[in-house]
Order: sequence, then C-alpha cells, then structure tokens
Amino acid sequence: QQQVKQSPQSLIVQKGGISIINCAYENTAFDYFPWYQQFPGKGPALLIAIRPDVSEKKEGRFTISFNKSAKQFSLHIMDSQPGDSATYFCAASPYASNSGYALNFGKGTSLLVTP
Amino acid sequence: GAVVSQHPSWVICKSGTSVKIECRSLDFQATTMFWYRQFPKQSLMLMATSNEGSKATYEQGVEKDKFLINHASLTLSTLTVTSAHPEDSSFYICSARDPRGGTYEQYFGPGTRLTVT
Repeated sequence: QQQVKQSPQSLIVQKGGISIINCAYENTAFDYFPWYQQFPGKGPALLIAIRPDVSEKKEGRFTISFNKSAKQFSLHIMDSQPGDSATYFCAASPYASNSGYALNFGKGTSLLVTP
Repeated sequence: GAVVSQHPSWVICKSGTSVKIECRSLDFQATTMFWYRQFPKQSLMLMATSNEGSKATYEQGVEKDKFLINHASLTLSTLTVTSAHPEDSSFYICSARDPRGGTYEQYFGPGTRLTVT
C-alpha cells in the first residue's frame, strides 16, 4: 500500500517556467519530508527536506510547501531549466533521534523541461 | 552533503552464481543502512534495513536467504545476491542516514546495475 501518493506522474514545463509536484500522505506519524532528484542510471540525490514546524522551505530555485492539516506537501522548481529534467521523488518518514527509519517513497514524477 | 559509495557500479553474472555489492559511507558512520531495488521507470522498493552488528530486517516478500546482508562495520554494508537468476536483474541502491547535526538525512549511493544472463 502506497503510503505517499505523488502526482503528476509526468510533467512537461517550458524553460523558465515553474514546475510543481504534489504529494499527500495519511500516516500522522510522518514528520520528515525530503525530496530527491534522480537522473537515469544514478542514485537519488537529496534536494531539500522539511519538517512540519515550518510551512515552507526554500533552497535556491527549489521550494517545499507544507500543509500539515491537509497532509500534503509540494515541490516548486522556479525558473525551470533543461538540466532539471529528471525524475523527482517525494518521501516521508517518522523523525526521531536515531537513524533507523526507512523512507516511504512516492511513485515519482518524470519532469521534462523543454528549451 | 554526505557521501555514500557503491561497488561495483555494474556487474554481469551468469545464472546460478553469487554477486556481492558493497555500500560504504565515506565521511560518516552509519549504524543503519538501507538496501533498495529499482525497476526501470519505477520507484524505489525497500528490500531490507541493515543494522551494524545485528541481523538485517527484511521487508515482506524479500527472500532473506537469497539476499544476504552483512553490516560488519559502521561504514560498510554488503548485499550478496545468491544463486542469481535473470529475474534478479535490477538496479540496486543503498542508502544511509547521516547522524551528524541531528538531521539524519538519508543519502544514497550511485547504484549497482546487476544483469544476470
């Protein structure tokens, strides 16, 4: 059973546009929400992560928006570039003062940024 | 960010043989590492959680006798695919959570492409 639902499955955005990917979860024990970027044949790379004590976190062109009451979070990529074309995964897990929790991943979004 | 390495990056083996994949945390110690499997155009599927000095915890449906995991040190976990068959061909990725700074962010290795002929 998919604990994190991600949409859309694929996305095409023009260069300079905003890419928006959404995720939703049900498990209220989740309180750590990272986003990963994966290029073909490579391992996922951590982009940005958020915890529920803030509603938004920005790092460069990447912003996570978090809505705790709706149990939803999203990734916004501003000024999208062709080099951003990749698969993006949202994830969630409980957060605790140990390293034992595995991440629950969404199914991924294939982003294509056209020139 | 933290660095996790994997070796080999790709391997081809014959059906019936065993293959060992190494996962190392290069700049931090990881008491827990994770092994994932990924099929083309699909998400990551957690196979097992590797705990240093103790037995791995396998996800439902993953054969522990086929996928042997050893986490002998705080920087090294190995996955051995025993008696490999063509259906074991996949992209295997390890990860570890970096405890420094208290964030426990999870970093992934570059993956190992296994092809069983």
